[in-house]
Amino acid sequence: GDSVTQMEGPVTLSEEAFLTINCTYTATGYPSLFWYVQYPGEGLQLLLKATKADDKGSNKGFEATYRKETTSFHLEKGSVQVSDSAVYFCALSAYGSSNTGKLIFGQGTTLQVKP
Amino acid sequence: DTGVSQNPRHKITKRGQNVTFRCDPISEHNRLYWYRQTLGQGPEFLTYFQNEAQLEKSRLLSDRFSAERPKGSFSTLEIQRTEQGDSAMYLCASSLGGGRTVYNEQFFGPGTRLTVL
Repeated sequence: GDSVTQMEGPVTLSEEAFLTINCTYTATGYPSLFWYVQYPGEGLQLLLKATKADDKGSNKGFEATYRKETTSFHLEKGSVQVSDSAVYFCALSAYGSSNTGKLIFGQGTTLQVKP
Repeated sequence: DTGVSQNPRHKITKRGQNVTFRCDPISEHNRLYWYRQTLGQGPEFLTYFQNEAQLEKSRLLSDRFSAERPKGSFSTLEIQRTEQGDSAMYLCASSLGGGRTVYNEQFFGPGTRLTVL
């Protein structure tokens, strides 16, 4: 079945460091890919998305490129801030005849940014 | 606030008791999803409604779980004879859907945290 695998955390970085969180997926067909973020004490929020191969999703300085050849959707940010400390989830939505839109999530990666 | 709301936010119950959670989606959204999230894991899909019709249920949803969405508005998730393994955060999400759109963003509620003693 469809699945998402993320790099294990926690990831601890100093402010202004470069961030990469790896995400790979297994899916039939051509899924849409997402990064969701969960700040402490808050609900899940969509951070960025890409709906077809080679698309780049971006938001708030974060970027991820849909790589079909490597089945990856790695999250990057050039300079992290303390306020980026959160749990990040990679997810996919498999597009098929049913088109329910249900999301399949990775296990999450905790990011802690120190001043 | 016009986001997705869930009640209660926290529920503590004893093993064997029944519990019911409520989700109020964004008013114009026709799709509604329930997910379960255990500590240190990502959310797992439980069930999906399009309007009032329950169109998909995960194998995770045992016979003790039932969900409804009467009139295609709010939804309830009931767990009968709770077990300690049911302790988790139960998340509700809603979206627009249908037609040729590949994806419509799901908006998540804050969740209901269930603790079964």
